[in-house]
Amino acid sequence: KQEVTQIPAALSVPEGENLVLNCSFTDSAIYNLQWFRQDPGKGLTSLLLIQSSQREQTSGRLNASLDKSSGRSTLYIAASQPGDSATYLCAVGDDYKLSFGAGTTVTVRA
Amino acid sequence: GAVVSQHPSWVICKSGTSVKIECRSLDFQATTMFWYRQFPKQSLMLMATSNEGSKATYEQGVEKDKFLINHASLTLSTLTVTSAHPEDSSFYICSARGPLLGSYEQYFGPGTRLTVT
Repeated sequence: KQEVTQIPAALSVPEGENLVLNCSFTDSAIYNLQWFRQDPGKGLTSLLLIQSSQREQTSGRLNASLDKSSGRSTLYIAASQPGDSATYLCAVGDDYKLSFGAGTTVTVRA
Repeated sequence: GAVVSQHPSWVICKSGTSVKIECRSLDFQATTMFWYRQFPKQSLMLMATSNEGSKATYEQGVEKDKFLINHASLTLSTLTVTSAHPEDSSFYICSARGPLLGSYEQYFGPGTRLTVT
């Protein structure tokens, strides 16, 4: 069974600082890995999707890396803004399912 | 593209009644849809996988007679919570398998907040 762990569970940084969010998974036989953003009481917003054959994906201030062999992914958010405050979820796709981590709740202080 | 909607966005029902939640893929055909539930401050837990035209596959520990899933068309899946109890109060989110052949990407709906009183 795939186990997905996200560290830290919560993070508070001043505006402008870079964010580093970690995700680890136990089974390296994955199809893809997705990073999502979730605002309180809301659904999921897909941020980045990395296919198993890729090592990283970038979108604007966001960059996600994937190291299948070590079972790790890292989401970098450059020059954080208060609007980046949210919970960030990592999800690993293997076979037909997505397995989610518990998330990292980020607070960016103005 | 690849938009998924859910209806209703929130619902309050009395204990013992049933409530139906709809999940629609608006601009693509989805042969597979997924139902998740999320308790406060917890992550998403997969409840079941819904395949068009066939029975849903439920995850271990999920009561199939309590959570009825119907995927009658390529754009609609429904989740019916039968004889709801307060412990069924949760945030229910659906997703649909992306339109690209061979793609495993899932597109998520905005979620439905269920409160059972």
